[in-house]
Amino acid sequence: NAGVTQTPKFRILKIGQSMTLQCTQDMNHNYMYWYRQDPGMGLKLIYYSVGAGITDKGEVPNGYNVSRSTTEDFPLRLELAAPSQTSVYFCASSYSSGGAYEQYFGPGTRLTVT
Amino acid sequence: AQTVTQSQPEMSVQEAETVTLSCTYDTSENNYYLFWYKQPPSRQMILVIRQEAYKQQNATENRFSVNFQKAAKSFSLKISDSQLGDTAMYFCAFMKPTQGGSEKLVFGKGTKLTVNP
Repeated sequence: NAGVTQTPKFRILKIGQSMTLQCTQDMNHNYMYWYRQDPGMGLKLIYYSVGAGITDKGEVPNGYNVSRSTTEDFPLRLELAAPSQTSVYFCASSYSSGGAYEQYFGPGTRLTVT
Repeated sequence: AQTVTQSQPEMSVQEAETVTLSCTYDTSENNYYLFWYKQPPSRQMILVIRQEAYKQQNATENRFSVNFQKAAKSFSLKISDSQLGDTAMYFCAFMKPTQGGSEKLVFGKGTKLTVNP
């Protein structure tokens, strides 16, 4: 049981490039989330999904896209990378909604855009 | 919108001693959840403790306990018998339950805790 896995662990992008951050969970969780953590700050929600085929915007969605074709996978797409997207990105999942259900986090992807 | 404030950017404590991390939040909701997450240098986010707002009893998890003051909107974390492995960033977070799964965790900026030998 690997939990939530993310690839890659580190990535450097040039301005204007695109990439996809991968997230997979093996806990059969319905709910999945993408957060970003800027230096010295807490996490902010980018997008979330309540099940396969259903996604919605969080607090900071601009510059990102997501898809959820399966229960297990929730990739985050960066189009036209900008220096403001330099951050650490965390994927998380939970069995259901509500605070009674713990969100399990992946190890994060450190992205630098130069 | 809910906000979470952690007023102590950094703290340190001697091994085996007790330390308290502060957190205040702003909400007009009556029903919500509060969390403390630990982020060690490995970056992994680890849930330390959770408190339901409708429960008056303070949550405890082994050496970790909270002081939840709902009227004052305060949610402090007490770590007893501090260990070197407790060195980490600690984030306070708020969640308001909603229908449809749109709950999100709202995080504070964190407190960097160093446990000294």
